[in-house]
Amino acid sequence: AQSVTQLDSHVSVSEGTPVLLRCNYSSSYSPSLFWYVQHPNKGLQLLLKYTSAATLVKGINGFEAEFKKSETSFHLTKPSAHMSDAAEYFCVVSEIDYKLSFGAGTTVTVRA
Amino acid sequence: DVKVTQSSRYLVKRTGEKVFLECVQDMDHENMFWYRQDPGLGLRLIYFSYDVKMKEKGDIPEGYSVSREKKERFSLILESASTNQTSMYLCASSLLATNSNQPQHFGDGTRLSIL
Repeated sequence: AQSVTQLDSHVSVSEGTPVLLRCNYSSSYSPSLFWYVQHPNKGLQLLLKYTSAATLVKGINGFEAEFKKSETSFHLTKPSAHMSDAAEYFCVVSEIDYKLSFGAGTTVTVRA
Repeated sequence: DVKVTQSSRYLVKRTGEKVFLECVQDMDHENMFWYRQDPGLGLRLIYFSYDVKMKEKGDIPEGYSVSREKKERFSLILESASTNQTSMYLCASSLLATNSNQPQHFGDGTRLSIL
């Protein structure tokens, strides 16, 4: 069975400072992992995906994530937050079929 | 870029009405999905379809049905709307039926209120 835990429900950062969103997963197989972002009243947009190629994955808008199998983690980072990064972020795991398991989400607030 | 279009952004209906939510994708994806999103509960899968006229129940299918007559279109039907179906509904599509590496692409959602 697969599951995802996002360790922080809310993260607040100052503009220009680093962002770290933490995600741990549980999976019986070698999973695919994704990060999605959702801006208010919008759908989910794919930020990046891990599919067993490189463990450090680069995504859109300067985000990247590192897959650590030993720690079953897939944390999302960005070196310098921008006001437009204020949104909700979802860590998602997928095993051998179509089914996605979503984390509960992390809301990011960016202070000017 | 994949485009998933949901026909309504906001919808208000009355208890007992039959409600149709429409979703169209333009990338010839085999898979299509309907989720609902509620605060504190995250996204939950209602139904999905891996081909025309094929459908599978997700985690919370009760009170819903779906229709997929054409590959690009996937409809969610609330047979007799109830207030506990007030929610944000998200449609998604993805390529291939069994490849877990393929991400799902989401529409902007329909915020449905049942009065």
